[in-house]
Amino acid sequence: EPEVTQTPSHQVTQMGQEVILRCVPISNHLYFYWYRQILGQKVEFLVSFYNNEISEKSEIFDDQFSVERPDGSNFTLKIRSTKLEDSAMYFCASSDRGSVETQYFGPGTRLLVL
Amino acid sequence: RKEVEQDPGPFNVPEGATVAFNCTYSNSASQSFFWYRQDCRKEPKLLMSVYSSGNEDGRFTAQLNRASQYISLLIRDSKLSDSATYLCVVNRGFGNEKLTFGTGTRLTIIP
Repeated sequence: EPEVTQTPSHQVTQMGQEVILRCVPISNHLYFYWYRQILGQKVEFLVSFYNNEISEKSEIFDDQFSVERPDGSNFTLKIRSTKLEDSAMYFCASSDRGSVETQYFGPGTRLLVL
Repeated sequence: RKEVEQDPGPFNVPEGATVAFNCTYSNSASQSFFWYRQDCRKEPKLLMSVYSSGNEDGRFTAQLNRASQYISLLIRDSKLSDSATYLCVVNRGFGNEKLTFGTGTRLTIIP
């Protein structure tokens, strides 16, 4: 069964440092998403991406965040200057028809900002 | 009011019991509804969609009441492997729209 993969599985960084979280969506999928989950809290939408541009973003997704699809296979989330409150699990998801029935989640990257 | 509200639990039930979860949502324009399952420190996985007519998948039954903005999930003959957090998820559209998650209800099945 095809799956979304994410690297790294864990990332520890110092406050103020830049981090890039990587995702490889399922190969024929066209819609891509990032969500985050702070420990003990709910899963929150960050951003959706289609046709090389952002479709929608939440209020969490401020100027410190950016997304990119650099090479047709990877989908990245960059946090320019990490804050303590950015510590969370970050999930990438992808879908083919833009239907939630086919929105597959990756295993996540656990980010810890010290 | 929270967009999607669930009883956080925990629910501790004996193996073989029937357990029911409820969820309410605030946006009356929401179009699609789902239950996801999340195991500890893992990604959410789609358990089932919820249709207006109600739907069943094996031991799992989901119901939607649009008038009351209420969604339910019933698990019959619970197994140890059902232990997980159950997430109520709402989508305002049918297409590539964002998913709005509830905080989840933690279920533990006791042998």
